Amino acid sequence: RKEVEQDPGPFNVPEGATVAFNCTYSNSASQSFFWYRQDCRKEPKLLMSVYSSGNEDGRFTAQLNRASQYISLLIRDSKLSDSATYLCVVNNGGGADGLTFGKGTHLIIQP
Amino acid sequence: NAGVMQNPRHLVRRRGQEARLRCSPMKGHSHVYWYRQLPEEGLKFMVYLQKENIIDESGMPKERFSAEFPKEGPSILRIQQVVRGDSAAYFCASSPRTGLLYGYTFGSGTRLTVV
Repeated sequence: RKEVEQDPGPFNVPEGATVAFNCTYSNSASQSFFWYRQDCRKEPKLLMSVYSSGNEDGRFTAQLNRASQYISLLIRDSKLSDSATYLCVVNNGGGADGLTFGKGTHLIIQP
Repeated sequence: NAGVMQNPRHLVRRRGQEARLRCSPMKGHSHVYWYRQLPEEGLKFMVYLQKENIIDESGMPKERFSAEFPKEGPSILRIQQVVRGDSAAYFCASSPRTGLLYGYTFGSGTRLTVV
């Protein structure tokens, strides 16, 4: 059973559209959640943390559903520069440090 | 304020040689994590260290791999007697305290190629 599961895509989306990704996690003890972005052959970069109440940062909105153990990321008014792989990240829980990364969802914004 | 510094960026080793990957965390960060990313795969946790201590090495292969974070100097990931399957991108990350609240900041990685 995969600990953090994401649809690998690719999602091909026209510029200006809204796109959403989901991610499911298996460890009910997890308490911290993040979305990272990774460009081709680059390091992952923190995009945003995900809070229980949901949070928004500009065109990006993250939601957490603890009951169903999934996290979502919504990107509005997508830009060409949003093309990247988006990684769902969950802490290991149970008092242990360490983050578990999903394999990522590949997003391609088309002009 | 320099970020997480990894070197070398690219490393080529012949089968059987040793590979040493270095990581200097961000200033003020005392927690270091090493991850490996195989081509077309996700990031896999290897080891978590604080100064002079290995906190969690549950992701480290049992043989040939070791890591340290000495009191002075960078963290080192050492791979002895490399094999082709060790070819991957190795990322180091750091955080100021536990990554639970802050997430991690990654270095630009070392791409190891074993020929």
